[in-house]
Amino acid sequence: AQSVSQHNHHVILSEAASLELGCNYSYGGTVNLFWYVQYPGQHLQLLLKYFSGDPLVKGIKGFEAEFIKSKFSFNLRKPSVQWSDTAEYFCAVNAGGSQGNLIFGKGTKLSVKP
Amino acid sequence: EAQVTQNPRYLITVTGKKLTVTCSQNMNHEYMSWYRQDPGLGLRQIYYSMNVEVTDKGDVPEGYKVSRKEKRNFPLILESPSPNQTSLYFCASRRGQVSTGELFFGEGSRLTVL
Repeated sequence: AQSVSQHNHHVILSEAASLELGCNYSYGGTVNLFWYVQYPGQHLQLLLKYFSGDPLVKGIKGFEAEFIKSKFSFNLRKPSVQWSDTAEYFCAVNAGGSQGNLIFGKGTKLSVKP
Repeated sequence: EAQVTQNPRYLITVTGKKLTVTCSQNMNHEYMSWYRQDPGLGLRQIYYSMNVEVTDKGDVPEGYKVSRKEKRNFPLILESPSPNQTSLYFCASRRGQVSTGELFFGEGSRLTVL
């Protein structure tokens, strides 16, 4: 069965620090990959997504992610975090097929200290 | 404004008292889905629907029912709620068969079963 692993449960950073959140998935075929963000008390919103092409994808608010097929990874990065980036981040994978159901990781909570 | 609307946003109920959480989207999306979010477990899919009158079980369907009589609505029914169904519920929708498409989430419904 497909699965998504997010390595860190809770990450605490100071403003201006660099961020990297790990995401690994288990599926050997073609995948579509997503990062969603959930700000406190809000619903999930799409940060970025990868389907094909350039493995380095850029999303909103200065976030980017790199797809490394050989490592089954899709790590999220941001060079310099802000207090407003405090949120929970979810990696999700869709291994294709007509249903297109997303499998979500358990989430990583990011706390940014001002 | 494109949106997914859930009601109620907050509900406290007692074991065994049937309840329905409504979900409506105004984007003419074919695909709709229900998730529950629990601390440390991320989002888990309850049921999904590829189109009107087409529904299928997700990963945690026990204790839930759904229906899709109209394209815009996808209610979640708890026939006999139990305390282990205390959770935060999200409805989401997406355009058609496009597995690469973005999921749009509702604001969430926080349910407490006593």
